[in-house]
Amino acid sequence: SQQGEEDPQALSIQEGENATMNCSYKTSINNLQWYRQNSGRGLVHLILIRSNEREKHSGRLRVTLDTSKKSSSLLITASRAADTASYFCAGTYNNNDMRFGAGTRLTVKP
Amino acid sequence: EAGVVQSPRYKIIEKKQPVAFWCNPISGHNTLYWYLQNLGQGPELLIRYENEEAVDDSQLPKDRFSAERLKGVDSTLKIQPAELGDSAVYLCASSLPNYNEQFFGPGTRLTVL
Repeated sequence: SQQGEEDPQALSIQEGENATMNCSYKTSINNLQWYRQNSGRGLVHLILIRSNEREKHSGRLRVTLDTSKKSSSLLITASRAADTASYFCAGTYNNNDMRFGAGTRLTVKP
Repeated sequence: EAGVVQSPRYKIIEKKQPVAFWCNPISGHNTLYWYLQNLGQGPELLIRYENEEAVDDSQLPKDRFSAERLKGVDSTLKIQPAELGDSAVYLCASSLPNYNEQFFGPGTRLTVL
């Protein structure tokens, strides 16, 4: 069963705009990761944020984590057409179990 | 360095037939995962191996699904017999010990007719 939920389910923006995706989870986590999946491909790891961190940056990516609200957000700045993909959050729980959400399908129009 | 290799990439079978998927993880990755991904959904864990040992198979439908990881390297996932509802993408992933980042293969898309 899936432990996380992303919203929105789908997001369509123009190239150059920022894209924000949110993730909520149900029980306490050790860390939370974000992955990207291009159509017909496997998932690619983007960034990991630990439960004692609040914000993390990697290039054009910014991830925040609010453990009190059991939520995380992924911000992609200055989006490009190549960012078009599905984005998944995944929480890692105490037994090293990792559970994915249903994903946000991002479309960046050139 | 080669990534996670899966074969076949696509498989079409009739219901009640058996099917098997193969995965070769990244060299040195002792943790191996099999996931099922339905269209428009995130991956759902089927089984996780630490070396040869299946440490989490609670989501594996054991009446028809089986998996093995002999010698702690390659792994196979089998379905026998396949049902229409098994149509999905089967993903394999691997990771280093005590390291959460997972590396995914391209998946096998199974269609059961």
